[in-house]
Formats: sequence, C-alpha cells, structure tokens
Amino acid sequence: QQQVKQSPQSLIVQKGGISIINCAYENTAFDYFPWYQQFPGKGPALLIAIRPDVSEKKEGRFTISFNKSAKQFSLHIMDSQPGDSATYFCAAEALQGAQKLVFGQGTRLTINP
Amino acid sequence: GAGVSQSPSNKVTEKGKDVELRCDPISGHTALYWYRQSLGQGLEFLIYFQGNSAPDKSGLPSDRFSAERTGGSVSTLTIQRTQQEDSAVYLCASSFTGASLAFFGPGTRLTVL
Repeated sequence: QQQVKQSPQSLIVQKGGISIINCAYENTAFDYFPWYQQFPGKGPALLIAIRPDVSEKKEGRFTISFNKSAKQFSLHIMDSQPGDSATYFCAAEALQGAQKLVFGQGTRLTINP
Repeated sequence: GAGVSQSPSNKVTEKGKDVELRCDPISGHTALYWYRQSLGQGLEFLIYFQGNSAPDKSGLPSDRFSAERTGGSVSTLTIQRTQQEDSAVYLCASSFTGASLAFFGPGTRLTVL
C-alpha cells in the first residue's frame, strides 16, 4: 500500500520560474515530513522538513506548505536554477513509531536555462 | 571518510548467485538503515538497526534477503539466489537518531542478468 503519493512524476520549468511538487499521505500517525534531493549517482540528501504544527516553512528559495486537514504537503522552489535539476522525494515519518521513512515515488525536475 | 560509504558501487551478477553489499556508516552513528530504490520508484525500506536492539526486518521482501551489523558499525546486506527483480540501487543510511536525519551513502547498483 502506497502511503505517500507524489506528483508529478516529472517536471520541466524555465530558469527563474517556480517549481511545485505535491505529496499526499494517508497515515495520520505521520508527524514529520522531510523532502530529499537526489543527484544522479548520489544518495538522497535532506533538503528541508516540516512538522504538522506549522503550515509553512521556508529556507532560502525552498518552501514547504503543509495542509494538515487535507493531508497534503508541497515543495515550492522559487527562482528555479539549472543547478536545482535533480530528483526530489517527499517522505513521512511517525517520530513516535517505527524508525523508518515512507517515501513518495519521486519527481524528476529539469530546469531549462 | 566523513560520509557513509558503500561497496561495491556497481555489481553485476547472474540469476541464482548470492551477493553481498557492504555499508560503512558514519563513525558514531548508532542507527543504520537499508533502502532499495528501483528504477522510477521511491525508496523502499528494507531493514533498520539501532544500537544493540533487535533489527527491524519488516521491510525485507523475502527470506532470500538478510542483513547483519557487526560491532555496531559495518553492515552487510546479503541477497541469496538473486532474481532479476532484485535489480535496483541499494542505499544505506546512518544517523545518531531519527530516520529523517540520516545521511545516505551513494548506493550500490545491482544488476541481475
């Protein structure tokens, strides 16, 4: 059972544009929602994360928006740059439960110069 | 090295053979995770080690898969009688605590012919 659904599967954005990736989860026990960035040949790296007690978290050009009632969260990349081209994964974790992440399927983002 | 290392980086094997994949976590990290990343898919949890506690093996897909962690440090993931559907990138991650705060290694790309 896929507990975290991510869309779109791939995304092409022009340099300077806004990239938006969406995720939805089912398990209400999840209480920590990280995003990972993965470049080819590398492992995923933690980019930004949010807890459900806030609706938005911003770090530089990266913002997570969180809607607890809808069980949805999204990543916004402002002023997208070619160096942002990578695969992005959303994930969810139940901090009080089993110590494991449930990942979305990933979004391959391409920023055209 | 300062990061998580994995070996080999690539492994090609024939169907039915056994393979061993190695993970060297960051020194001092008590938690170690194995994930599998299939083409176009998200990361699938396999197994989790935390200190001297019994590992969480709930993600292992079959009894052909096993893992051990010696001395609380190096871990080996063993796949017996490999099948073509085992072809994937196997990722290892380690942390002091918390799956979402784990650092990932570069992965081992396994190809079963």
